[in-house]
Amino acid sequence: DAKTTQPTSMDCAEGRAANLPCNHSTISGNEYVYWYRQIHSQGPQYIIHGLKNNETNEMASLIITEDRKSSTLILPHATLRDTAVYYCIVRVVPGSARQLTFGSGTQLTVLP
Amino acid sequence: GAVVSQHPSRVICKSGTSVKIECRSLDFQATTMFWYRQFPKQSLMLMATSNEGSKATYEQGVEKDKFLINHASLTLSTLTVTSAHPEDSSFYICSADRVGKNIQYFGAGTRLSVL
Repeated sequence: DAKTTQPTSMDCAEGRAANLPCNHSTISGNEYVYWYRQIHSQGPQYIIHGLKNNETNEMASLIITEDRKSSTLILPHATLRDTAVYYCIVRVVPGSARQLTFGSGTQLTVLP
Repeated sequence: GAVVSQHPSRVICKSGTSVKIECRSLDFQATTMFWYRQFPKQSLMLMATSNEGSKATYEQGVEKDKFLINHASLTLSTLTVTSAHPEDSSFYICSADRVGKNIQYFGAGTRLSVL
């Protein structure tokens, strides 16, 4: 699976949009971009995933560049409860299950 | 709501005892589940892949005789930490792939403290 690069930490004001970048320049054509987050002392929580089109769900939006070498996770109106470590993960989606490889992630701190 | 249930959430035990952690997929079948370990201020590291009806696959450096994995049904995998020692104190997390949705869901984790 392709390696990803994320900033170590970011701050965001409560109520503002949080934009978390991720570089995955070695991504291959059959690899998806996944975003998870981990709130302190909890298991990772799935946020969103996509292949090449932009995606939106009730939690966030995922913007993937046309060359697919980078992506941005957008939390439209950040709240204090969004403070967490956010992981960008790239992996193939085959018919069988496959483990996720976690990097260091981005510590997002939402400030009041 | 949670689609992967993990129990217990926290356990404190004496050195030398064994601890069993359960991981259940709640509304889907999971022929494969994963067990991760996370030390303070570090990221999740895969320990082993649990396969229903067959032996687990362990990552390099993980002792299979110490971390026993049983995946006896399509919805349940268990991790038993045998003869636990203080260095085994960690946060253990399981996960399962919901294959049709291409999403891997995680349990809430188990905080193990060995005294």
